[in-house]
Amino acid sequence: EPEVTQTPSHQVTQMGQEVILRCVPISNHLYFYWYRQILGQKVEFLVSFYNNEISEKSEIFDDQFSVERPDGSNFTLKIRSTKLEDSAMYFCASSVAAVTDTQYFGPGTRLTVL
Amino acid sequence: DAKTTQPNSMESNEEEPVHLPCNHSTISGTDYIHWYRQLPSQGPEYVIHGLTSNVNNRMASLAIAEDRKSSTLILHRATLRDAAVYYCILRGLGYGNKLVFGAGTILRVKS
Repeated sequence: EPEVTQTPSHQVTQMGQEVILRCVPISNHLYFYWYRQILGQKVEFLVSFYNNEISEKSEIFDDQFSVERPDGSNFTLKIRSTKLEDSAMYFCASSVAAVTDTQYFGPGTRLTVL
Repeated sequence: DAKTTQPNSMESNEEEPVHLPCNHSTISGTDYIHWYRQLPSQGPEYVIHGLTSNVNNRMASLAIAEDRKSSTLILHRATLRDAAVYYCILRGLGYGNKLVFGAGTILRVKS
C-alpha cells in the first residue's frame, strides 16, 4: 500500500540553525500539508500546498517557514532560524483532492532544537 | 474553526465493543464528519467519515444522529492495537483543506 515517507526520523539542531525536513507524498496525490505536534499538545496545521503554491497557512507559519516541491516527488519544509519552541513532531500529509478528501500522514520527524 | 466535543478519555476491555461519542451541535448541512486516530508515536491515520447515513468499513462503524448534532464511532471488538487518541473532525467548504484537531479521546484498552 502506498505511504507517505519522511526523513530524517529525528533531527537535532542548534538554535538559530536552518533545518530542512523532507517528505515524499503518495505519488498520485496533488495536495500536500505540514502539521506539527508539540509534545503533549494537539496536532496543529501549518500549511497546505497545491499546484506549486501555498493554498492555506496558519498563523504559526510565519516568515521563518517555507515549503517547496523541488522535484516531482519531494515536498520540503524549511525553518530558517530555529527557535527552542520549534521543537516538535512534524508530520507531512498528502491527499488526492481537497476539502473533504482523506489525508494520509507520514510517520513524522522529531525536531529537537537545543 | 470547526467545533467538536469529545470525552477526554475512555477505557475498554479487549474484545469488547467501544462507542466513542462526539458532539458537533454547530454542524452545517454540508459538513462531513471525519474520524482520525493517532497510535502512540505515529502520525494520524484516517478511520472513517460520513455525511448523514451510518457508515461501515473494515476498521469501524460510524453512527450519525438524525439531527447530525452528534455521532458515535464504534469499534466492534477492541484490540490492544486500537489504543490511541481518536479525533472527531468536521470538514467542509467553510474549513478549507486543513484538518483541525482537538484534544480527542484517549482510548485505553485493557487485556
